Amino acid sequence: EAGVAQSPRYKIIEKRQSVAFWCNPISGHATLYWYQQILGQGPKLLIQFQNNGVVDDSQLPKDRFSAERLKGVDSTLKIQPAKLEDSAVYLCASSLDRDTEAFFGQGTRLTVV
Amino acid sequence: AQKVTQAQTEISVVEKEDVTLDCVYETRDTTYYLFWYKQPPSGELVFLIRRNSFDEQNEISGRYSWNFQKSTSSFNFTITASQVVDSAVYFCALFSNTGKLIFGQGTTLQVKP
Repeated sequence: EAGVAQSPRYKIIEKRQSVAFWCNPISGHATLYWYQQILGQGPKLLIQFQNNGVVDDSQLPKDRFSAERLKGVDSTLKIQPAKLEDSAVYLCASSLDRDTEAFFGQGTRLTVV
Repeated sequence: AQKVTQAQTEISVVEKEDVTLDCVYETRDTTYYLFWYKQPPSGELVFLIRRNSFDEQNEISGRYSWNFQKSTSSFNFTITASQVVDSAVYFCALFSNTGKLIFGQGTTLQVKP
């Protein structure tokens, strides 16, 4: 079974630039998550989708972050404009449903300089 | 409030020692799920176990065992006869009626040969 795919693996941008991350969840998984993991910390939920609807985006900095999940499958997370403090690993995860185990991709390591 | 606390930031053991990683959680919900994930240096979060709040039986899987005690709101993880390959960051997580999967800060385990 294919896992959660994320791209790119690494990205370096200058502050105020834009960046986008892509996630392809495991086939059939209704729930998709985007997490931000700052070095030395646990993952922090940014946004959670159930199919193509947003379940929770309370911790998403909406002035600069946006995410969408078209057709309830792939998802894109965008940052515009990026700040230095956005440097982190962005993890995408999916699960069959909200209370089942989430499977994570390898993440995208973003460095903002 | 939902919260997961992993008080041990770093643990260092010598190979073949047993080691226990502590996890304490807070929730007012009666139905919830607890998880453990392993994050090796590659960065991907690997699912280890899911336990629902109504099942307090301890579980053993090879060298891994989990002790769930609702009375103390703890879900501790023990690795028996640790190996160098066990070196990683381990996260405990809580899923409750908020619909969010909340992670602790993680415990870095270093197993020395």
